[in-house]
Amino acid sequence: QVQLVESGGGVVQPGSSLRLSCEGSGFTFSRYVMHWIRQAPGKGLEWLKGISSDGGITYYGDSGEGRFTISRDNSKNTLYLQMDSLRVVDTAIYYCAKESDSFDIWGQGTMVTVSS
Amino acid sequence: QAGLTQPPSVSKGLRQTATLTCTGNNNNVGDQGAAWLQQHQGHPPKLLSYRTNTRPSGISERFSASRSGNTASLTITELQSEDEADYYCSAWDSSLGGWLFGGGTKVTVL
Repeated sequence: QVQLVESGGGVVQPGSSLRLSCEGSGFTFSRYVMHWIRQAPGKGLEWLKGISSDGGITYYGDSGEGRFTISRDNSKNTLYLQMDSLRVVDTAIYYCAKESDSFDIWGQGTMVTVSS
Repeated sequence: QAGLTQPPSVSKGLRQTATLTCTGNNNNVGDQGAAWLQQHQGHPPKLLSYRTNTRPSGISERFSASRSGNTASLTITELQSEDEADYYCSAWDSSLGGWLFGGGTKVTVL
């Protein structure tokens, strides 16, 4: 069964850091480009960052650029998102997704709440 | 500003046909087409179609996608109550070097 499981979310104060993880199973993790996508409460989907299958190339949108870092450890079938200097507007569900022509497999998401 | 434009809402009756649109430009929808995702409240998105009109296995034939120029469309035939959800289009933008999502269309089945 192809599956992605995110973890690492929680409630943090503005300015804090957090590292999200996404473990893949049921497929050859190291063959696929992987992404982080977020969804603020009641809002639409926002693509954040992607990383090539070998981790050598990263792709990023406008949001989180410079504050968020994507990485992966193919030996652990795990994708990461390091988030620094978190802001209230970063409050969202963070999803990881596997890319195969598009975002074909999604995790259940992990909630990040930034609040003072 | 680059982006994908979707109407915020569409309402149709049971067993009717709904057509959703997603408008981009030559660098995204007009270049490589769009994918469509369905999201039910409280659940992650699910891929309905990619490369404009290819359905993943297990996706009902009631969902069909197409493209005309810079506008992609998703047609849902024989609307069912379980089709009530938010629908997002997505496309790679070759100019930005990144992925875009539309703002989403909420489908209501009357």
